[in-house]
Amino acid sequence: NAGVTQTPKFRVLKTGQSMTLLCAQDMNHEYMYWYRQDPGMGLRLIHYSVGEGTTAKGEVPDGYNVSRLKKQNFLLGLESAAPSQTSVYFCASSRTSAGYYEQYFGPGTRLTVT
Amino acid sequence: GENVEQHPSTLSVQEGDSAVIKCTYSDSASNYFPWYKQELGKRPQLIIDIRSNVGEKKDQRIAVTLNKTAKHFSLHITETQPEDSAVYFCAASRGSSNTGKLIFGQGTTLQVKP
Repeated sequence: NAGVTQTPKFRVLKTGQSMTLLCAQDMNHEYMYWYRQDPGMGLRLIHYSVGEGTTAKGEVPDGYNVSRLKKQNFLLGLESAAPSQTSVYFCASSRTSAGYYEQYFGPGTRLTVT
Repeated sequence: GENVEQHPSTLSVQEGDSAVIKCTYSDSASNYFPWYKQELGKRPQLIIDIRSNVGEKKDQRIAVTLNKTAKHFSLHITETQPEDSAVYFCAASRGSSNTGKLIFGQGTTLQVKP
């Protein structure tokens, strides 16, 4: 049981390049989330999904797109990377227990845009 | 919008002392309050959580208290040890939203001096 995994661990992009971050979970969780973490800013929600085939915007969605074609995978795309997107990206998944959602995080992807 | 304020931003204690981190939330419908610990370069890990139907929860040296009337909750760590040094995040969630979205505080960097 690997839990939540993320690919890649590190990436350097040039401004204008595109990339996709992959999140996978093997816990059969319905809910998945993408966060970015910047110094002094805590964790901010980019997009989330409440089930296969669904996605919704979070707090800071601009410049990102997501897809949830399979229940176990949640992809985060950057179509045209900007230096402001330099950050650490965390994926999380959760199950619901009587209406309470415990989120479990992946190891993170450190992205630098030059 | 929904907001979680966390204080202090940094906290330094001597080994063996207690540490207290406080959070306030704005959404009175929030009913789930987890705390995450993040060591340097690692993922956030859930260490304890509390639901709105209880006022206090303990797990060994860690306890969380909740005051729904005042809309604040606190993390208490007793007999601190150097391995407690990390960044701690509080969060709040509204179960009725059926999304599991967490709103995070900005984080508290705890340093335990040996």
